Amino acid sequence: DTGVSQDPRHKITKRGQNVTFRCDPISEHNRLYWYRQTLGQGPEFLTYFQNEAQLEKSRLLSDRFSAERPKGSFSTLEIQRTEQGDSAMYLCASSETGNYNEQFFGPGTRLTVL
Amino acid sequence: AQSVTQLDSQVPVFEEAPVELRCNYSSSVSVYLFWYVQYPNQGLQLLLKYLSGSTLVKGINGFEAEFNKSQTSFHLRKPSVHISDTAEYFCAVTLAGTASKLTFGTGTRLQVML
Repeated sequence: DTGVSQDPRHKITKRGQNVTFRCDPISEHNRLYWYRQTLGQGPEFLTYFQNEAQLEKSRLLSDRFSAERPKGSFSTLEIQRTEQGDSAMYLCASSETGNYNEQFFGPGTRLTVL
Repeated sequence: AQSVTQLDSQVPVFEEAPVELRCNYSSSVSVYLFWYVQYPNQGLQLLLKYLSGSTLVKGINGFEAEFNKSQTSFHLRKPSVHISDTAEYFCAVTLAGTASKLTFGTGTRLQVML
């Protein structure tokens, strides 16, 4: 296992369309995080899973956003009815159980909404 | 809630010169502190972390950082930079002893010049 992977790396879509991103964490990691990074800013937390349970969601995660981790392994992030303001880099990270929370990040999915 | 301030959005420096990237945090409880580096079109890579113990932390690629509780700072330093250090650097904080989200600063662009 070489690290966290994300698919696709780039996505261009038209406003109003739905998009789905996938994240595969490091295999022994049971915690998985989603972040969003806009140009010139640091990553902002969206949501977090421990195994299949979604334990925390940011207020940034509007009703159009939904994330799942059905079997406690990979996760998907879906954005419905995309808006131009959704254009950003979506980053996934994973970590082991433990209280020091060292998160390992994937390469990200860059979303462009036209 | 925790917050991170990176006062310098850009730091230009000549190759082989020393550099310091500044990070100040705000929190009413104990925190863990991290520095991540992001190369163009890539995810974030952990440079170093402070969890407890010695306030001087050494990381990868010759970087080090010093935790100063009284000044609520965690500045990143390197005694001699290389052209390959050109990247975006992010300071991040999380609650100590939890699996909480990372809160990032806005980043500092280190530009190493020949």
